[in-house]
Amino acid sequence: KAGVTQTPRYLIKTRGQQVTLSCSPISGHRSVSWYQQTPGQGLQFLFEYFSETQRNKGNFPGRFSGRQFSNSRSEMNVSTLELGDSALYLCASSLVSSGPGNTIYFGEGSWLTVV
Amino acid sequence: EDQVTQSPEALRLQEGESSSLNCSYTVSGLRGLFWYRQDPGKGPEFLFTLYSAGEEKEKERLKATLTKKESFLHITAPKPEDSATYLCAVQGGYNQGGKLIFGQGTELSVKP
Repeated sequence: KAGVTQTPRYLIKTRGQQVTLSCSPISGHRSVSWYQQTPGQGLQFLFEYFSETQRNKGNFPGRFSGRQFSNSRSEMNVSTLELGDSALYLCASSLVSSGPGNTIYFGEGSWLTVV
Repeated sequence: EDQVTQSPEALRLQEGESSSLNCSYTVSGLRGLFWYRQDPGKGPEFLFTLYSAGEEKEKERLKATLTKKESFLHITAPKPEDSATYLCAVQGGYNQGGKLIFGQGTELSVKP
């Protein structure tokens, strides 16, 4: 059974550019969440999508956005990149949002470096 | 405000030296407490989910326990391959969906 797949794994962008990251959840999973991981702030929640609807959003500026498609695949976009956006971006998937027995699995992440 | 604090930040053990990692949490309406292991450059690997005080789960050399205020990850007779960062996260609040709030992690190093 394939795990959570994220692409690309590594990318370098210039300040002011935008970037789109992709996530394919585990087959059958309908909930997809995105997290940003940095050495200083740790893992921080960006947003969650369930059945193509954003269910929750973290405390990030509007430059961070996402969407989910009918096949549960998700993308996140960061516009007008800043140096501070350099981070590991992690995607997580689960069958549903929460509840007993609902395991949340993470992908390997996309390493973004902004120069 | 929901919060998770892990201690210690770093832990160095000799192979075979058992110890415990702590995760203290403040959350309104705990719906699950998660433990993950993360190796450098990789995504978090799921270990356990605990749902109610008194619950315990085991996997190989790891055992997780939960009280109303904290969780412990006990590592029995660790091996060098157990070296990693261990992350604790909570899911709380019925209007929070699937959001996980993470602690800063405990970096475990096991020397042979």
